Amino acid sequence: EDKVVQSPLSLVVHEGDTVTLNCSYEVTNFRSLLWYKQEKKAPTFLFMLTSSGIEKKSGRLSSILDKKELFSILNITATQTGDSAVYLCVSGGTSYGKLTFGQGTILTVHP
Amino acid sequence: EAGVTQSPTHLIKTRGQQATLRCSPISGHTSVYWYQQALGLGLQFLLWYDEGEERNRGNFPPRFSGRQFPNYSSELNVNALELEDSALYLCASSLGGMLLETQYFGPGTRLLVL
Repeated sequence: EDKVVQSPLSLVVHEGDTVTLNCSYEVTNFRSLLWYKQEKKAPTFLFMLTSSGIEKKSGRLSSILDKKELFSILNITATQTGDSAVYLCVSGGTSYGKLTFGQGTILTVHP
Repeated sequence: EAGVTQSPTHLIKTRGQQATLRCSPISGHTSVYWYQQALGLGLQFLLWYDEGEERNRGNFPPRFSGRQFPNYSSELNVNALELEDSALYLCASSLGGMLLETQYFGPGTRLLVL
């Protein structure tokens, strides 16, 4: 069965800190890994990664995939209180059309 | 561009009743996905519809069912409700049933079973 594991499960930092969120996966016929940010209700898309070693960046957020070691990291630099959310790591693989979600990392950024 | 919409936002039912949740995808999207997010648990894949057909389903009992209409909107039906069905139900849509397509999520329907 496909599995996605995130760590840490929760993280508390202060504004300005840099955080690294981890995601490991065991997915048969791996196709893609996605990161979502979930505030209140609907997850919003951050990144989709399909190739190893190619960093994707969006402002203060960046992410990279290692298909050999089966993991991905999401970095957030100079954190702000608005970054407080649950960050979801998601993988598409074996079962066509089905995404497997990790448990999420709860990030809390204090002023 | 309007996003994915869901209705109702909240739904309260009692055990044994049936619940119907609705989802309208982003215009042009043909695939609709349903997820359950129970309190304290991660998102669990429920169902995937594409072009009016059920393409895949997660590990949920048959009392969870749905359909997709010709305009690509979708309904999720939960029969014989149980207390543990209380959860946030999220709908997502994508351009097509390709794994590489990004899914866009709606605001969710919070179902409470008493």
